[in-house]
Amino acid sequence: DTAVSQTPKYLVTQMGNDKSIKCEQNLGHDTMYWYKQDSKKFLKIMFSYNNKELIINETVPNRFSPKSPDKAHLNLHINSLELGDSAVYFCASSQVTLGSGANVLTFGAGSRLTVL
Amino acid sequence: DQQVKQNSPSLSVQEGRISILNCDYTNSMFDYFLWYKKYPAEGPTFLISISSIKDKNEDGRFTVFLNKSAKHLSLHIVPSQPGDSAVYFCAARGDGGSQGNLIFGKGTKLSVKP
Repeated sequence: DTAVSQTPKYLVTQMGNDKSIKCEQNLGHDTMYWYKQDSKKFLKIMFSYNNKELIINETVPNRFSPKSPDKAHLNLHINSLELGDSAVYFCASSQVTLGSGANVLTFGAGSRLTVL
Repeated sequence: DQQVKQNSPSLSVQEGRISILNCDYTNSMFDYFLWYKKYPAEGPTFLISISSIKDKNEDGRFTVFLNKSAKHLSLHIVPSQPGDSAVYFCAARGDGGSQGNLIFGKGTKLSVKP
């Protein structure tokens, strides 16, 4: 049973298109994240989201929007795709309890987006 | 501006020997540090963590050392096994305002040769 699952695993699309990547977690965690791993291999936070708060990394273009229908899902919508959006996108989840230890994120397997 | 740096992109070690992966950070407000391991076409998986108030944490073959004054941590794997071959990411938990977001280094690719 996959703890954090994301679909599709691979996505190839043309510039200017709009696409979505779906993410679901069955761990009962209260916080979900989207990370982007670019061509330089850096894993960078894009968003974190729990029932109360959406935290957006200010460097993320507003073409990217997270949508959470419920606590177990956090989808990523990307409008007007650009060549530079090509990357691997990782969804993750955790149970955030401040002051009670390391925040261990559980990651999905990644979705490789290629924009042509 | 990289707050977490892994300056060695790759490391090659013989099976049975020790692997030492290094990580440096710049923000003294980080309160936890974590190591993740990543195989190709998979997501990173959690390996071991250490609180900023500790200087060592051990779990089986894996030990993480933290030197706060030098803003440096290292992961030791002893003995190294071929199955340990993967990319290892160092991560730091951001300060309180970020609700626990992790900031990652660029990763070090470890190759353990039989």
